Amino acid sequence: SQQGEEDPQALSIQEGENATMNCSYKTSINNLQWYRQNSGRGLVHLILIRSNEREKHSGRLRVTLDTSKKSSSLLITASRAADTASYFCATGRGLGYSTLTFGKGTMLLVSP
Amino acid sequence: DTEVTQTPKHLVMGMTNKKSLKCEQHMGHRAMYWYKQKAKKPPELMFVYSYEKLSINESVPSRFSPECPNSSLLNLHLHALQPEDSALYLCASSQGSGGPHNEQFFGPGTRLTVL
Repeated sequence: SQQGEEDPQALSIQEGENATMNCSYKTSINNLQWYRQNSGRGLVHLILIRSNEREKHSGRLRVTLDTSKKSSSLLITASRAADTASYFCATGRGLGYSTLTFGKGTMLLVSP
Repeated sequence: DTEVTQTPKHLVMGMTNKKSLKCEQHMGHRAMYWYKQKAKKPPELMFVYSYEKLSINESVPSRFSPECPNSSLLNLHLHALQPEDSALYLCASSQGSGGPHNEQFFGPGTRLTVL
């Protein structure tokens, strides 16, 4: 079953603008992760935020997590054409190996 | 080496064929995963191996048969597939120890078409 639900489903912006994607989930989690996928290829891990964290930064990425609302957001600042991809949130559960449940994803198009 | 490799990149097979997908990692990871991804959909977990033992089988039909010959290799054997099994098959690995907060490293996938 798909736990994460992203919105918007698609987002089109110009280079230099910020892009914000939201994710909601339903059950308890150990962490929430964001992945990027270029054009039907493999996924690349972007950032992991633990359930006891509220905000995390990595380069141009900022992730927030609100466990009371069961939601997270991914902000990409100063976007570039190379950021064009699908972005998925995934909720992680389990010990040792992590079982990920992916949301439906947001397709981001950044135009030059 | 932080790479997960998958072969082949593309595979076309008939419904009576038997084929195998291969996945390899040399990061010392002890958890490996198979996902299936249909077009414009998120990846869906199929199997999890932890320390070379099958830990999770997400009710996958028996025409998909996973195998973990050693800690670096993961295979997915395919037999009598249906056209609806056409998808991108992704392999991933993670540390598999030291707690729950492990990112997964994905291979580029095998694009499978069943005729």
